[in-house]
Parts: sequence; structure tokens; C-alpha cells
Amino acid sequence: NAGVMQNPRHLVRRRGQEARLRCSPMKGHSHVYWYRQLPEEGLKFMVYLQKENIIDESGMPKERFSAEFPKEGPSILRIQQVVRGDSAAYFCASSYRGGDEQYFGPGTRLTVT
Amino acid sequence: DQQVKQNSPSLSVQEGRISILNCDYTNSMFDYFLWYKKYPAEGPTFLISISSIKDKNEDGRFTVFLNKSAKHLSLHIVPSQPGDSAVYFCAGLFGNEKLTFGTGTRLTIIP
Repeated sequence: NAGVMQNPRHLVRRRGQEARLRCSPMKGHSHVYWYRQLPEEGLKFMVYLQKENIIDESGMPKERFSAEFPKEGPSILRIQQVVRGDSAAYFCASSYRGGDEQYFGPGTRLTVT
Repeated sequence: DQQVKQNSPSLSVQEGRISILNCDYTNSMFDYFLWYKKYPAEGPTFLISISSIKDKNEDGRFTVFLNKSAKHLSLHIVPSQPGDSAVYFCAGLFGNEKLTFGTGTRLTIIP
């Protein structure tokens, strides 16, 4: 009865490198949401995906950020050419249907040096 | 544009007393409001929710009140216990999709 899994839990990248964050939703869940928490702030919505589809990416920065949720495998949040301002905790949540309770993973803490 | 606001960054309450956490919102389109609890180095955990058509929802020690005319909701925890010490986020849900979170209130229960 595994919950939402995220890996890695901690990720350190130098400026200019790429960061890949993975999220495996709860069993049976096909809706995935990514949120970002900057220091001293609340969680901010980034993107909402269903299998193979991006439903809402209104919270995603226009450049360097992309997300996917393939038919098989985890959802991936990809940040290219990371900058110090990308340092944050990135949380993934999943739900059975849109509008259902969202269950959160433990987060990936990205540090850009 | 902070659609959900939690104006108290921290709150300390004696064990056994009532904890009241407050939240204000500006978006009248929210369908549901939710409270999440978060411990350090963990993801948020759902606590309790309320539909925008109701004014109260109760679950054990937790009660959420919604005042739509004032665009205000509050979470009451009674009696407060040491394990309740955490950061509490309120969130609005619109369109069955994304949650819009407040900035959180750190609750400390004093033994």
C-alpha cells in the first residue's frame, strides 16, 4: 500500500546542469500534480498531468522547465540549466480523479550550488 | 497575487487548549477549501476539507468553519496535543484541479 514516491529525496546540482525529479503516484492514481515550495513560502502549483497528457501547466516557468507522465513509468519534472533560484522543495501529488483528495509525496529538495 | 492568505506565520498554544488557525481568500470561485498539515522533511498530509456550500465541517478534534461573506475560514483543534505541532496550510480548490496554498502557519503546542 505504497504512497506517492519521489526520488531522489535530495538533489544537488551546479548551475547550468540538468535536474530530473521523479514521481510515482499511488497505485491506481492517474492524475499527477507538481508543486514547488520556495523557502518561507507556501506550495505553488506548477503542472497537472494525466497519463500522456498535460492538462494544466499554467504554473510552470516558460523556459527550462518541462514535465511528462508517460504511459509507463513515473512522472518526470525536468529542469534544464538550473540556476540558484531553482533551489526549492518540489512536491508531487496524485489523485484517483481530478478533484479527488490529493496525496503528497515526501518531496525532492533541490539545491543549486 | 496571493489568493489565499495566512497572516499569522506562527502560533503557540498550551496543550489541552484550543488552537485556532485562520485563513483568508480572495478568489470567490473556489469550490472546496482544504487544510493540510506538514512536518519537516515530509510532504503535506490532508487533514480536513469543507465544501464552499457549507459553513462547518467537523472530524474528531478538528473543525473547519467557513464564512463566505467574509471570505474567511478557520481551523479549530481542540484539545491541542503535542503531536499537533506542525506547519498548517490552507488551500483552495477550483475546477477540480490545482490547489492554491497559503503560506502556512507554524503551530507549536506547549506541554
